[in-house]
Amino acid sequence: DTGVSQNPRHKITKRGQNVTFRCDPISEHNRLYWYRQTLGQGPEFLTYFQNEAQLEKSRLLSDRFSAERPKGSFSTLEIQRTEQGDSAMYLCASSSGEGLGPYGYTFGSGTRLTVV
Amino acid sequence: AQSVTQLDSQVPVFEEAPVELRCNYSSSVSVYLFWYVQYPNQGLQLLLKYLSGSTLVESINGFEAEFNKSQTSFHLRKPSVHISDTAEYFCAVRTPYSGNTPLVFGKGTRLSVIA
Repeated sequence: DTGVSQNPRHKITKRGQNVTFRCDPISEHNRLYWYRQTLGQGPEFLTYFQNEAQLEKSRLLSDRFSAERPKGSFSTLEIQRTEQGDSAMYLCASSSGEGLGPYGYTFGSGTRLTVV
Repeated sequence: AQSVTQLDSQVPVFEEAPVELRCNYSSSVSVYLFWYVQYPNQGLQLLLKYLSGSTLVESINGFEAEFNKSQTSFHLRKPSVHISDTAEYFCAVRTPYSGNTPLVFGKGTRLSVIA
């Protein structure tokens, strides 16, 4: 297993366009998390899945954001009508159970979104 | 709700010198505490964690952190740093209760080790 994979690595889009990011977690991990990180800030929680069920959504996740994890495998995060404030690094992580084992959450390298 | 404060955004230190990265948390209930590290161009990785038991926890590369409940702190220390320790370090907290309690991260501290 090559870890958590996120695609694309970088995305530049015009304001108002829709974008979709993909995350492929470690195959045996049942939990998948999305975080957002802006410059000078730590990762901020957006949402998470246990298998295919979306169990929690942060207040940060406006109606323009939607996430799915069909069949409990990969996940997609879509942002509709992007705004400049959406520019950030979007991080995906996965864990086996609650992530309290020796590796905790396994993070991907992120997708950097720039809205122009 | 839990929160984490990392007071130092940047810490420069000479190679082989000791370092302490500070982390304070706020929570009305008991907590689990974590330090994650992000090396340049890599994803975040778990460095060490406190769940229960001994309040002093160690990592395999010489870092240690001590859970201090009275001071609500979980500072990270290393007696002698190496160039390879240059990275961003994030303190994180969550409650022990199962269910909907993902990690809450601090803003991070960038450790720069100078040769």
